[in-house]
Amino acid sequence: SAVISQKPSRDICQRGTSLTIQCQVDSQVTMMFWYRQQPGQSLTLIATANQGSEATYESGFVIDKFPISRPNLTFSTLTVSNMSPEDSSIYLCSVSGQWGSSGNTIYFGEGSWLTVV
Amino acid sequence: AQTVTQSQPEMSVQEAETVTLSCTYDTSESDYYLFWYKQPPSRQMILVIRQEAYKQQNATENRFSVNFQKAAKSFSLKISDSQLGDAAMYFCAYRSVIQGAQKLVFGQGTRLTINP
Repeated sequence: SAVISQKPSRDICQRGTSLTIQCQVDSQVTMMFWYRQQPGQSLTLIATANQGSEATYESGFVIDKFPISRPNLTFSTLTVSNMSPEDSSIYLCSVSGQWGSSGNTIYFGEGSWLTVV
Repeated sequence: AQTVTQSQPEMSVQEAETVTLSCTYDTSESDYYLFWYKQPPSRQMILVIRQEAYKQQNATENRFSVNFQKAAKSFSLKISDSQLGDAAMYFCAYRSVIQGAQKLVFGQGTRLTINP
């Protein structure tokens, strides 16, 4: 499985500010996803990060609030914009498939735990 | 849209005993993948076991095994010889094979406590 590194692992953010989370994979992967896990809840997909094009967002998530980049096959960023306390969550990067294959299993990074005050 | 249901918010088991976590799902697709993930307090999502829907044989990984009942759309996880390190949240997840719909859909999770 791929090794997935996320930064920051934890941060406390001021209301109204924005924070960018980085996800680095040690090998080229076909698919990259960003999930959100609110306190005490399950995981919800924010968007699929597409290499070289705009991300595909799930219902309820918009690009202005959660801009995503994926400049290459090993790196992606998620920005949480204009944060409010409701954005306090764990944000998880996940990947699937060595490049050239779909892969059937999704692996996760360690997560970024954001608290908005 | 697919849904995944875990009806047990919390479960507990004595160390060295066996416990079964339940999961049901709803789909109209015939081919898909099912997973169990473990999330310890460190919050990292760790893959426990994977099942391909086209395989009749139940997947096993050391002390972890599944009971996959495709017709009933049921996918339970059995943990044998429970250890203190098994304490965690366990999430059941569904993944479609359809291009563009290959996200994971998660259940609500089951918190497993191991009693020494």
